[in-house]
Amino acid sequence: GQQLNQSPQSMFIQEGEDVSMNCTSSSIFNTWLWYKQDPGEGPVLLIALYKAGELTSNGRLTAQFGITRKDSFLNISASIPSDVGIYFCAGQLTLRAGGTSYGKLTFGQGTILTVHP
Amino acid sequence: NAGVTQTPKFRILKIGQSMTLQCTQDMNHNYMYWYRQDPGMGLKLIYYSVGAGITDKGEVPNGYNVSRSTTEDFPLRLELAAPSQTSVYFCASSYSTANKAFFGQGTRLTVV
Repeated sequence: GQQLNQSPQSMFIQEGEDVSMNCTSSSIFNTWLWYKQDPGEGPVLLIALYKAGELTSNGRLTAQFGITRKDSFLNISASIPSDVGIYFCAGQLTLRAGGTSYGKLTFGQGTILTVHP
Repeated sequence: NAGVTQTPKFRILKIGQSMTLQCTQDMNHNYMYWYRQDPGMGLKLIYYSVGAGITDKGEVPNGYNVSRSTTEDFPLRLELAAPSQTSVYFCASSYSTANKAFFGQGTRLTVV
C-alpha cells in the first residue's frame, strides 16, 4: 500500500518564527491536502493542492505540490500561539472501478506543533 | 450548517460487546469514509463508500462492518469489540474525488 512519511514528528518553536514541514510518498498522488487537528476535534482542511508544481497560500500558510507528485510541503510564517496543534498531510489517488472514480486519502503520521509565547 | 455529525462522542465497551457508530452528513456528498486514529499516528482508512448501496474495504477493515442505505448515513458496526479497537474514530465525507473531505468531531471508543 501507499506510505506517507511526514516530518518532523514534532516541533517546538517561539512565537513569530516560521515553520516548515513536509511529506514524501513512495508513490504518486494526484491531490495533496493539509489538515490541522486541535485536541478533541476532527481534522480541518487548511489547503488543497491539485496540480504538480502548484503553490497555494491561505493567509500565513503556504503549501506546494511537488513536481514529482510524490511530495508536498507546508510553511507557516510568523507563527502565533493558536497555530498549536497536529498538522497532517494527506495524499489522494483517484481510482476507477466499474466506471466509478473514487479517492482514498492516505494520511501522514502528523507533525505536533508547539508555539511558545 | 451541521456538516458531518458523529454520535456518540464517547463510549466504553466491554470485550465482546457490539455497537454502532453513527455518521450522518447534510451536504449531499457521495463519498463517505471511516477512519481510526491511534495515539501518535495518522488516520487509517477502515471502510469507504462512493454512494448509496456501495461500500468497500480500506486499509484496516477487520472487525468492522458498514452499510450505506442512504446518501446521508454511513454507520460503522463493531460486532465483537476487542481491546485493539480502542481508538478515536472519524467519519468524513466529500463531494467528489478531487474535492476535500470534511471530518466529523470523532468518537472516542475504549474497549475494556
